[in-house]
Amino acid sequence: GESVGLHLPTLSVQEGDNSIINCAYSNSASDYFIWYKQESGKGPQFIIDIRSNMDKRQGQRVTVLLNKTVKHLSLQIAATQPGDSAVYFCAESREGSARQLTFGSGTQLTVLP
Amino acid sequence: DTAVSQTPKYLVTQMGNDKSIKCEQNLGHDTMYWYKQDSKKFLKIMFSYNNKELIINETVPNRFSPKSPDKAHLNLHINSLELGDSAVYFCASSQDHGGSYNSPLHFGNGTRLTVT
Repeated sequence: GESVGLHLPTLSVQEGDNSIINCAYSNSASDYFIWYKQESGKGPQFIIDIRSNMDKRQGQRVTVLLNKTVKHLSLQIAATQPGDSAVYFCAESREGSARQLTFGSGTQLTVLP
Repeated sequence: DTAVSQTPKYLVTQMGNDKSIKCEQNLGHDTMYWYKQDSKKFLKIMFSYNNKELIINETVPNRFSPKSPDKAHLNLHINSLELGDSAVYFCASSQDHGGSYNSPLHFGNGTRLTVT
């Protein structure tokens, strides 16, 4: 069925290193993608988004890459900090169905001192 | 100045009881949602309201009934609670539909429901 999934459920990185969180989607009609960050005890927070007419988008210390050919997107976090420790979700939407957002299963990022 | 606030934060109750979770947003958004997050952190939409009108009603038991008295509030009432209802429930809002460009979802901090 249609799904948005992540390759790794957990990821540990050293403080200061770069982090890469991956996400695969299955519906070629998906045209909008968002990354959310969820800290412990809080709701998900918007990080960055990308439309399907782009391959790359950069924010502050974060970059999202989209490869439509293989239906894959990634979130890169530069110089990972302890405050980056959280669960990261990718989500996708497409035309129709009230533009409903479908979330992936999440990756737990742990930043090691 | 919390944007999306939901109460209570924790709710512990016994099977068979009826409970409500309240949600309010002060962002002036037109669309509000309820999401359920299970123990594996999977987020699934339950309901979506736009200007007090039900837009999305996923396959959830009819024991769950959302109520939107105005576009700033979306409450969730649950009848005859079951063990499987234990989860974290998130309220969210967005200006347009949450999957629309430049209309990100703003989430509350969740209500952890435990049914014993």
